Amino acid sequence: EAQVTQNPRYLITVTGKKLTVTCSQNMNHEYMSWYRQDPGLGLRQIYYSMNVEVTDKGDVPEGYKVSRKEKRNFPLILESPSPNQTSLYFCASTAHTNEKLFFGSGTQLSVL
Amino acid sequence: QQQVKQSPQSLIVQKGGISIINCAYENTAFDYFPWYQQFPGKGPALLIAIRPDVSEKKEGRFTISFNKSAKQFSLHIMDSQPGDSATYFCAASLSYGGSQGNLIFGKGTKLSVKP
Repeated sequence: EAQVTQNPRYLITVTGKKLTVTCSQNMNHEYMSWYRQDPGLGLRQIYYSMNVEVTDKGDVPEGYKVSRKEKRNFPLILESPSPNQTSLYFCASTAHTNEKLFFGSGTQLSVL
Repeated sequence: QQQVKQSPQSLIVQKGGISIINCAYENTAFDYFPWYQQFPGKGPALLIAIRPDVSEKKEGRFTISFNKSAKQFSLHIMDSQPGDSATYFCAASLSYGGSQGNLIFGKGTKLSVKP
């Protein structure tokens, strides 16, 4: 089954403790992206990647890192999480830009 | 110029009624306009999309109307059903340039269809 898999689904952590949210897709998609969803603010892009070893900042990249060492994986790294990074995070991928974007099921992160 | 403004923020419709959600954009270079549907606890999923060479696209009960001169597009849900209750996001992107393909999302509309 074609899918984007994120882990974990729920995560509670404390300020300053480094964490990684994994994202993997099995559709051989070149384009991958991370979004955060906050009430009243919609979906805001954090980082995106057009292909392996190519990443770029989205609208809200501060406090986040990403890497794209393999085509299928695009982890999101929070080196020193802060409470304002409490949010619902989505990973997404597509074969070609301006075509259907496939989203993962989301990761609900709480930073205390 | 990169914003997509969506309204209303929330919408309550009776079963069988028509739901209408509107979006407006500034960047005339945008050339792809999708709508995504999100149910609670799920990721958004593509519902329907339009490109600016047509003024309307229909798929079942869902229709996108596109007005290029006004820089507006809207989603119409005919014969709305309780199962349509979800959050809807409009989006826009362009096919060229440094940010090609990056979707700019509206802030979402929470639709509730009452039985």
